[in-house]
Amino acid sequence: GAVVSQHPSRVICKSGTSVKIECRSLDFQATTMFWYRQFPKQSLMLMATSNEGSKATYEQGVEKDKFLINHASLTLSTLTVTSAHPEDSSFYICSARSGQGGIVSGNTIYFGEGSWLTVV
Amino acid sequence: SQKIEQNSEALNIQEGKTATLTCNYTNYSPAYLQWYRQDPGRGPVFLLLIRENEKEKRKERLKVTFDTTLKQSLFHITASQPADSATYLCALDKAGTALIFGKGTTLSVSS
Repeated sequence: GAVVSQHPSRVICKSGTSVKIECRSLDFQATTMFWYRQFPKQSLMLMATSNEGSKATYEQGVEKDKFLINHASLTLSTLTVTSAHPEDSSFYICSARSGQGGIVSGNTIYFGEGSWLTVV
Repeated sequence: SQKIEQNSEALNIQEGKTATLTCNYTNYSPAYLQWYRQDPGRGPVFLLLIRENEKEKRKERLKVTFDTTLKQSLFHITASQPADSATYLCALDKAGTALIFGKGTTLSVSS
């Protein structure tokens, strides 16, 4: 079945540095991918919607200059946390819808395994 | 603003019983509602999707109901097993947009 792969699964970085997380759809094309973050015992909070070949759409309160999203191909989206701080430490999860010809409502959404970011 | 509530943070039941989880929402008219399972430190895994014009959906030991008048979905696991212990998330799906998640209910099934 469709699989979404995230890399790295865990990363530790120093405060002030940048870290990139990759999200790949392995056997389907995803014109749209979504990035979430999740703090312990909290819900998944949507950060941004990533559209292939265009700028990402960010949710209110999410700094687009801090969380850079690039969706260069139909199978790859990346999230770069720039100038990371300890409060950015969280679980970051990407997802993608399968389906033909762009977003089709109700198509199954597949999630990556998530990436644990720890900023020290 | 849109709001999704799952009735309790934690639910403890004995093996063999039926677990019932509740999801309520306000200020929203989803075309679909989805349920996911999330294990600690892992990404969510899709379980079931129910459309706004469907009352009930079943898959093996799982059953989901969707009442758009009450703005509520119920998620049932029959003959529960310890392996069913996890956090279960409901998510609203309006129409091709991203999912909006509830906080989840952590189910613990004891043997």
